Amino acid sequence: EIVLTQSPGTLSLSPGERATLSCRASQSVSSSYLAWYQQKPGQAPRLLIYGASSRATGIPDRFSGSGSETDFALTISSLGPEDFAVYYCQQYGSSPFTFGPGTKVDIK
Amino acid sequence: EVRLVESGGGLVKPGESLRLSCVGSGFTFTNYNMNWVRQAPGKGLEWVSSISGTGSYIYYADSLEGRFTISRDNAKNSLFLQMNSLRAEDTAVYYCARRASSFSPFDPWGLGTLVTVSS
Repeated sequence: EIVLTQSPGTLSLSPGERATLSCRASQSVSSSYLAWYQQKPGQAPRLLIYGASSRATGIPDRFSGSGSETDFALTISSLGPEDFAVYYCQQYGSSPFTFGPGTKVDIK
Repeated sequence: EVRLVESGGGLVKPGESLRLSCVGSGFTFTNYNMNWVRQAPGKGLEWVSSISGTGSYIYYADSLEGRFTISRDNAKNSLFLQMNSLRAEDTAVYYCARRASSFSPFDPWGLGTLVTVSS
């Protein structure tokens, strides 16, 4: 089983600031089958990034993903008020399709 | 518009059973792998089970210890999760989610259905 670790647990930032979230895998994620999801309170998760760096349909270009093998990152270039949420990474290349514990981005 | 709508959640006692359903619309249901993911109150996401478009390939999380069964009825655009011998730790919102292929992310997700296991 691939274990995903996310850091930091909480990121306190102001609107307009840059956010960098980390996701580290216990072993190499095959073919970069790594996704990022955003979840707001009371809502279902929403796909942001897949294949480590491809934005999903309708996702603004302030969201970008990078990395390979065991180290991945999600960057939000300039936080909008709607971006304060919890972000999860997930590997979907091999079962079990594990998720990281999440990073909460809250308003400073 | 692609939609996934879960139903069947509720309050049950430990040891009881429950069957969840998820109906898909706006896409050709049989062409997609389907999944269940759960989220305990205040906790993170946990993948539960996956089933291929034809139902030929099925996967489960080890933590379920054989208590859950995933199935689908493509004629009714429906996905199911039969949950037996429920425990307090199964309390969660259960989401269904679509995958375009075995190497695609989960997108979209339904709104979820809450299962509460308590005496």
